[in-house]
Amino acid sequence: DTAVSQTPKYLVTQMGNDKSIKCEQNLGHDTMYWYKQDSKKFLKIMFSYNNKELIINETVPNRFSPKSPDKAHLNLHINSLELGDSAVYFCASSHLQGGGPSDEQFFGPGTRLTVL
Amino acid sequence: AQSVTQPDIHITVSEGASLELRCNYSYGATPYLFWYVQSPGQGLQLLLKYFSGDTLVQGIKGFEAEFKRSQSSFNLRKPSVHWSDAAEYFCAVAPFIGNTPLVFGKGTRLSVIA
Repeated sequence: DTAVSQTPKYLVTQMGNDKSIKCEQNLGHDTMYWYKQDSKKFLKIMFSYNNKELIINETVPNRFSPKSPDKAHLNLHINSLELGDSAVYFCASSHLQGGGPSDEQFFGPGTRLTVL
Repeated sequence: AQSVTQPDIHITVSEGASLELRCNYSYGATPYLFWYVQSPGQGLQLLLKYFSGDTLVQGIKGFEAEFKRSQSSFNLRKPSVHWSDAAEYFCAVAPFIGNTPLVFGKGTRLSVIA
């Protein structure tokens, strides 16, 4: 009964390839996020979606394109992969409506992307 | 813009010793504050959070944190560290709850020695 799941857990690929990472949450949340954790463990927001609509798009190359087919899914597609894209990508979700102590973010297990 | 500083990159403590991990934030108002733990090769697990009320917050695994508005700090403590506490610890802030992404500190790596 994983709350936030990501596939694959590990992804090794060559430079120039296109790859996708999938994220699903079964918590009924309406907001989902992608974070990137670099080699120094620094975590930074990339995108945020609320009810399938993009609401935050940090300074991320156009090669990264998030897609949310429904509230429970937020996929990340990366075109023309570069060496610098190697990182761990975390999906997270939270609930927008209301607010209060229950509205924390739940994180997936991460996807370790290695670009060779 | 809000920011989070974790001054200690790496801390080593003996098993059974007490622990304090420091976190300072920069924000115009009182933010919502979190501590997450990341074990090697794992995702992020929430240890505790502060939204309002009692400034001493109890979390899981015997951790607690104290919010000090005057010092803009939210330090994490544990009275007696176990070897299984060895991990990376992240402090994070959000200006309000809901769809706001978290802003993370750079993390503190905790090593535990026998």
